[in-house]
Amino acid sequence: DIQMTQSPSSLSAFVGDRVTITCRASQSISTYVNWYQQKPGKAPNLLIYGATTLQSGVPSRFSGSGYGTDFTLTISSLQPGDFATYYCEQSYNRPPYTFGQGTRLEIK
Amino acid sequence: EVQLMQSGAEVKKPGESLKISCEAFGDNLTNHWIGWVRQMPGKGLEWMAIVFPGDFETRYRPSFEGQVIVSVDKSINTAYLQWSSLKASDTGMYYCASSVSSRDGADYWGQGTLVTVSS
Repeated sequence: DIQMTQSPSSLSAFVGDRVTITCRASQSISTYVNWYQQKPGKAPNLLIYGATTLQSGVPSRFSGSGYGTDFTLTISSLQPGDFATYYCEQSYNRPPYTFGQGTRLEIK
Repeated sequence: EVQLMQSGAEVKKPGESLKISCEAFGDNLTNHWIGWVRQMPGKGLEWMAIVFPGDFETRYRPSFEGQVIVSVDKSINTAYLQWSSLKASDTGMYYCASSVSSRDGADYWGQGTLVTVSS
């Protein structure tokens, strides 16, 4: 199995801050990384696929980058609705794929 | 756009069997892969198994192989996740998720089915 390690596991930030979440794969996975947002009591929501492509309807303040083993999700200016848990997912191998352990983003 | 509607919450005893469902609206499941994700209380997401479109081949994460069975009834556009003998450790939220391309992430999700296994 390809392991996905996210950092940090949690962080606190202010509305308006720029935030970056990192995901590291245990082997090279090209650009086969997807990012999800999950709010409490809700199903996950796909934000970014293929490391950099914004899913339709997702605000442009979200962006993704990376290749190989290191990937980032950036939120350029945090909004109140962005406080949630974020997961990366590798889609390199045949499915079922693996998620990172999640990063909980809280209001400071 | 596809909507996935899951069956309601379940409370079961250890050793009991259970089958939960995920009905698709808006498109035919023969055009989509569909998978199941477990989220244990307070924990992260884990893919359990996936069913491929067309021939409905199934693949399981090794830790779930032999523990659950996933299936699709294409006549009613519904996917299923079933257990033959539940354990307390099966307690959690179970989501179905789907997309046309599995590599581009799951863009359709059910609302989740909470399964509680307790004596």
